[in-house]
Amino acid sequence: DAGVIQSPRHEVTEMGQEVTLRCKPISGHNSLFWYRQTMMRGLELLIYFNNNVPIDDSGMPEDRFSAKMPNASFSTLKIQPSEPRDSAVYFCASSPDRVVNTIYFGEGSWLTVV
Amino acid sequence: GNSVTQMEGPVTLSEEAFLTINCTYTATGYPSLFWYVQYPGEGLQLLLKATKADDKGSNKGFEATYRKETTSFHLEKGSVQVSDSAVYFCALSNTGNQFYFGTGTSLTVIP
Repeated sequence: DAGVIQSPRHEVTEMGQEVTLRCKPISGHNSLFWYRQTMMRGLELLIYFNNNVPIDDSGMPEDRFSAKMPNASFSTLKIQPSEPRDSAVYFCASSPDRVVNTIYFGEGSWLTVV
Repeated sequence: GNSVTQMEGPVTLSEEAFLTINCTYTATGYPSLFWYVQYPGEGLQLLLKATKADDKGSNKGFEATYRKETTSFHLEKGSVQVSDSAVYFCALSNTGNQFYFGTGTSLTVIP
């Protein structure tokens, strides 16, 4: 079974450039999450979608960050313009809507902004 | 509110030593509890879970028991291996499909 698929796996970009990270959740999962992981702050929830609708975006750090989920099988996280402090690993995760849920993570997108 | 507190790392053990990583939680209602493991360069993977009080989750020699009276879900393994070196995250899931993760505990096992 295919897990959560993220692309790109690695990206190096210059400060000021636009970065788009992509995610395909597990088929049939209704919830999708974007997390950011850094050494300093650990794992942070950025935004959470349920049935393609953003439910909680309180973790999105600032207006430079935006996320969309146009359909059940695709989501994007965009940073525009990017800054060096955005360097981190960005994880997408999905979860089915059940009484007892488990969250499944992708392999992550390793972003370096120079 | 909901939150998870886990012991600070890093933890360094010799091969075949006994492992305990402490995790306590604060939650409203009746959460499900999880341990996730992250190997270097990879995403988080589910290690084990427990859905109600007194349940014991187990996998790959790791165990954790859901203790409602002490609001704890400590991870244990009787004999660690070098391949267990990773970062371990305690987490809870409550109503609304929200997940709350601890800060992670780094484990290094030396031969």
